[in-house]
Amino acid sequence: AQRVTQPEKLLSVFKGAPVELKCNYSYSGSPELFWYVQYSRQRLQLLLRHISRESIKGFTADLNKGETSFHLKKPFAQEEDSAMYYCALRDGYGNKLVFGAGTILRVKS
Amino acid sequence: DAGITQSPRYKITETGRQVTLMCHQTWSHSYMFWYRQDLGHGLRLIYYSAAADITDKGEVPDGYVVSRSKTENFPLTLESATRSQTSVYFCASTDPGRMNTEAFFGQGTRLTVV
Repeated sequence: AQRVTQPEKLLSVFKGAPVELKCNYSYSGSPELFWYVQYSRQRLQLLLRHISRESIKGFTADLNKGETSFHLKKPFAQEEDSAMYYCALRDGYGNKLVFGAGTILRVKS
Repeated sequence: DAGITQSPRYKITETGRQVTLMCHQTWSHSYMFWYRQDLGHGLRLIYYSAAADITDKGEVPDGYVVSRSKTENFPLTLESATRSQTSVYFCASTDPGRMNTEAFFGQGTRLTVV
């Protein structure tokens, strides 16, 4: 069965510091991986997906199949990045979207 | 309005009562999901549906019932609410026909069982 692990419940950094939110997965097939973000009292929204290899709001994430990881990175954190971040994996068979436990990112001024 | 909407936004109910959370989407997405969000557990899948009249259990289905008579609606019913079902519930929809398509979420329903 697929599984997504986010080991950090809370990550607190200072403004301007680099950020790395960790995500590891277990899945027997070819994974489809996503990062979702939830700002305070807002609905979840897609931040980025691995297939696009894009940078959104300065965030990037690279799929490392050898390490089964999909860590989210940003070189310089901003206060507006403070939010809950979820890593998610889509099951290609049932199209279920499985989420990790989430990491709260707190950017201090 | 286009999108995915949940109702009610907030609900307080008593233990043992039946309560239904509504979810409506306007995109005609085939897949719909119900998640509950709890601190320390993240988002856990309760039930999902691949199409009208097709539903399947997720990770934590006990105590919940779903139906999908129309593509656009996916109500979630707590048959006899318990305090452990106090949570924030999110509905989502997606169109799996495209690779790496994203899921769209409702604004959530905060349910308190007293």
